[in-house]
Amino acid sequence: EAGVAQSPRYKIIEKRQSVAFWCNPISGHATLYWYQQILGQGPKLLIQFQNNGVVDDSQLPKDRFSAERLKGVDSTLKIQPAKLEDSAVYLCASSFYPGLAGANTGELFFGEGSRLTVL
Amino acid sequence: AQTVTQSQPEMSVQEAETVTLSCTYDTSESDYYLFWYKQPPSRQMILVIRQEAYKQQNATENRFSVNFQKAAKSFSLKISDSQLGDAAMYFCAYRRGSAGKSTFGDGTTLTVKP
Repeated sequence: EAGVAQSPRYKIIEKRQSVAFWCNPISGHATLYWYQQILGQGPKLLIQFQNNGVVDDSQLPKDRFSAERLKGVDSTLKIQPAKLEDSAVYLCASSFYPGLAGANTGELFFGEGSRLTVL
Repeated sequence: AQTVTQSQPEMSVQEAETVTLSCTYDTSESDYYLFWYKQPPSRQMILVIRQEAYKQQNATENRFSVNFQKAAKSFSLKISDSQLGDAAMYFCAYRRGSAGKSTFGDGTTLTVKP
């Protein structure tokens, strides 16, 4: 079974530039998450999608971050304009639809992450 | 808001020995799940073990087991017979219900000495 795919793995940009990250979840996973992991810290949820609808984006800095999940499959996270403090690893994760019979309830499946450096 | 605290930024263990990683959480919910995830250097995060709050029995997965103290809101991970491949960052995570967001602690870096 293919895992969660993310690209690019690494990105270096100047502040005020824009960047986009792409994620393709595990086939059949209805829920998709974007997390920000700053060095030395745990992942922090930016946005959670259920199919193509937003469930939680309370911690997404909406003045510069945006995310979409068209057709309820893959997703794109965009930062525009980037700030120095956006340097982090952006993790995408997916999970089964909650309550689905036989699902591993609550487990998140992560991609390898996209490491962003803002200079 | 739920919070997860891992008070040990770094731990080390001798190969074949046992180590325990600590985690405490704060919640007023009764339906929740607790997890330990492992993040090896430059590799993806994977699930180590999961505990449902309604279960009194502590979860076990091979060499990994947890000590779930619901009243104390404590959820520690014990790794027995530590192996070099266990070296990684370990994150404790809390999830409200089966559909809520997962909140992570700041992690514990585990070093395994040969």
